[in-house]
Amino acid sequence: SYVLTQPPSVSVAPGQTARIACGGNNIGTKSVHWYQQKPGQAPVLVVYDDSDRPSGTPERFSGSNSGNTATLTITRVEAGDEADYYCQVWDSASDLCYVFGTGTKVTVL
Amino acid sequence: QVQLQESGPGLVKPSETLSLTCTVSGGSINGYDWSWIRQPAGKGLEWIGHIQTSGRTQTSGTTNYNPSLKSRVTLSVDTSKKQFSLRLTSLSAADTAVYYCAREEVKGTWLFDNWGQGTLVTVSS
Repeated sequence: SYVLTQPPSVSVAPGQTARIACGGNNIGTKSVHWYQQKPGQAPVLVVYDDSDRPSGTPERFSGSNSGNTATLTITRVEAGDEADYYCQVWDSASDLCYVFGTGTKVTVL
Repeated sequence: QVQLQESGPGLVKPSETLSLTCTVSGGSINGYDWSWIRQPAGKGLEWIGHIQTSGRTQTSGTTNYNPSLKSRVTLSVDTSKKQFSLRLTSLSAADTAVYYCAREEVKGTWLFDNWGQGTLVTVSS
């Protein structure tokens, strides 16, 4: 089945830029979605279809996808961005329809 | 805004069967597809399976399951009660997790646009 790999952790100072990678075989041919999960809460969709934002997601959140890596970028990081982030794809070729990445903990220093 | 609420036992004994229900409010259950997802403490998200009412396949009520859980999982839906349910058999400690129900939507491809708050299930004697 399809595998999505993320770095376990990313640390960033307030006001700086955080980049979270999501690696998968030819992931650039798939549509990637990103979720933010704060402690004790359910995940929330922050970016969909590689780079679109649901209403309510700050413009500081953006996404890109090419080759074997999709990236979630958070600019002007704030303390409230500290959370776990998961990428997700829909694998139409597999019985495992929905694949999540391994997750990345973003720590704001 | 649609809201989802999981309900069920918080503690289940090993080898027993878990039954969870997700109640949908503030919106329709028909025309959407519904998933169960779980997350062991400190670990990542695992998709369990889904049940379709959207018509994206020809038959409403069609289910798909994570192959790693397929032999133990059954999903069902009661549209009159606006509820869908998860049944997981032969439980072990490895099934201890927070269980989420979620609504599927298509934006590019399929994703989860609404989640329940989650319910912690502990498997222990």
